[in-house]
Amino acid sequence: SYVLTQPPSVSVAPGKTARITCGGNNIGSKSVHWYQQKPGQAPVLVIYYDSDRPSGIPERFSGSNSGNTATLTISRVEAGDEADYYCQVWDSSSDHFYVFGTGTKVTVL
Amino acid sequence: EVQLVESGGGLVQPGGSLRLSCAASGFTFSSYWMSWVRQAPGKGLEWVANIKQDGSEKYYVDSVKGRFTISRDNAKNSLYLQMNSLRAEDTAVYYCARGGGDGYNFFDYWGQGTLVTVSS
Repeated sequence: SYVLTQPPSVSVAPGKTARITCGGNNIGSKSVHWYQQKPGQAPVLVIYYDSDRPSGIPERFSGSNSGNTATLTISRVEAGDEADYYCQVWDSSSDHFYVFGTGTKVTVL
Repeated sequence: EVQLVESGGGLVQPGGSLRLSCAASGFTFSSYWMSWVRQAPGKGLEWVANIKQDGSEKYYVDSVKGRFTISRDNAKNSLYLQMNSLRAEDTAVYYCARGGGDGYNFFDYWGQGTLVTVSS
């Protein structure tokens, strides 16, 4: 089945840029979606189709996807961005169809 | 405003059954694929099942095939998950989510989740 690998944690100072990677075999050929999940809360979609932002999501959140790596970038990080972030793709050959990454905990220093 | 509200979770013994419900509002429920996604305690997200707008297509993760059944009632704007032969590894928060199908392969709205605990 298709596997998406994320770093377990990323630490970033306020005002700096956080980059969260999502690795998968030829992931650049797939559409990647990203979710933010704060403790005790449901996930929130922050990026879809690699780089589109839903309404209400700040422009500080952006995405890219190429080769074997997709990246979620959070610019001018704020304390409120501290959360777990998950990437997700659709893979028809996988028994899961909708595959989520392993998740990355973003800590704001 | 889109709202998804799950209910029906609780403590159940191994081998038991539970039926989850999700009440939808704020959008035309019958126009969207709907899904269930779960999250075991301290773990990541796992897609469980999805269902087409008219209920004619349903898909499941291998680990729940034959045990779980997803259904919907468009007249009641409701989504369901019947869970039978529950196992300890089914313990998780179960989220109802809009999306998952027909190229709409992401989940743009989620409920707050309902906790299912399988334990003796």
